[in-house]
Amino acid sequence: EAQVTQNPRYLITVTGKKLTVTCSQNMNHEYMSWYRQDPGLGLRQIYYSMNVEVTDKGDVPEGYKVSRKEKRNFPLILESPSPNQTSLYFCASGYEQYFGPGTRLTVT
Amino acid sequence: RKEVEQDPGPFNVPEGATVAFNCTYSNSASQSFFWYRQDCRKEPKLLMSVYSSGNEDGRFTAQLNRASQYISLLIRDSKLSDSATYLCVVGAAGNKLTFGGGTRVLVKP
Repeated sequence: EAQVTQNPRYLITVTGKKLTVTCSQNMNHEYMSWYRQDPGLGLRQIYYSMNVEVTDKGDVPEGYKVSRKEKRNFPLILESPSPNQTSLYFCASGYEQYFGPGTRLTVT
Repeated sequence: RKEVEQDPGPFNVPEGATVAFNCTYSNSASQSFFWYRQDCRKEPKLLMSVYSSGNEDGRFTAQLNRASQYISLLIRDSKLSDSATYLCVVGAAGNKLTFGGGTRVLVKP
């Protein structure tokens, strides 16, 4: 089954504690991206990747890092999370953007 | 001005009626256009791509007006299950995608 998976689905953490949200796709897509969704602000792109070892900043990259060492995986890294990064995060794959189920992150 | 703008709604639609709404974009060099559907904080799902000549998929019709820089979505014979938020997405060169804020549609019996 073609799918995009994200883990964890829910996470509550504290300020400053590094975390990684994983994203994996099994559709052999070159293009992957990360978004955050906040009430009143809609979906905003954090980072995207056109292919392995190629990543670019989206609209709101501050406070985030990504890596693309292999085609199927595109992890999102928060080196020092802050409360303003509390949000619903989506990973997406493919040019027509198949979305993962989302990760609800709370930073206290 | 936002890059991609949508009327947030909600559009309250009687079951069986037709509803249409637009999305405007500011970048005249935009190259690709999509409509997505999102249900209550679930992941967005691709509804349809929007082609220059317009396209139809069952009860859904999408149009692109490059001169006025907007795309539209029309839903005919609305069903209760069409209640959702509809997201307009515009792609620029380099595959950077920008989402609109969404238009909420509520179909009522």
